[in-house]
Amino acid sequence: NAGVTQTPKFQVLKTGQSMTLQCAQDMNHEYMSWYRQDPGMGLRLIHYSVGAGITDQGEVPNGYNVSRSTTEDFPLRLLSAAPSQTSVYFCASSYGTHSLEQYFGPGTRLTVT
Amino acid sequence: AQTVTQSQPEMSVQEAETVTLSCTYDTSESDYYLFWYKQPPSRQMILVIRQEAYKQQNATENRFSVNFQKAAKSFSLKISDSQLGDAAMYFCAMKGGSEKLVFGKGTKLTVNP
Repeated sequence: NAGVTQTPKFQVLKTGQSMTLQCAQDMNHEYMSWYRQDPGMGLRLIHYSVGAGITDQGEVPNGYNVSRSTTEDFPLRLLSAAPSQTSVYFCASSYGTHSLEQYFGPGTRLTVT
Repeated sequence: AQTVTQSQPEMSVQEAETVTLSCTYDTSESDYYLFWYKQPPSRQMILVIRQEAYKQQNATENRFSVNFQKAAKSFSLKISDSQLGDAAMYFCAMKGGSEKLVFGKGTKLTVNP
């Protein structure tokens, strides 16, 4: 198993540009989520999904869109990037609601200038 | 709302010594789980140890152990015989009745040779 994969590893955007951060898992996990990590802030939940076709907002959803058309993929879209979205983004997955362990991807470092 | 607080932004320890990282939390849930994650410079999030709130016995994983004080809502991590490879950011996290994982802001651990 490849586990949780994220692409790209690094990205630089200009303010106003759009892009999609890709996340995929090959463990047939129902639950997937996106976090952002900022210095001194820990990891904060952006959006999450409990299964294909179902998504919900986390703690800091503004400026981000998600969709879950398949069990494997959970892309995160930035429609109009802002400098405040400069961060490291992590995707995670787990078997389901009562799973004790989340598996994290390697992260994407995004810089918005 | 669930909150996790790590009051020590940075800690240091001498190689082979013992260090304790503090974590307190707040939740209205009666059933929840607590975790310590390690994030080395590679950025990968690694689960170190977990504790089910209904278990009175403190969890132990090799050199890592926790001191879980449910009434005080405290969940500290003890690292024994510290090694250079233990240097990392350590995050305390909690998972309540929902799927969401809530993180503290992290403690940066330095191990001095």
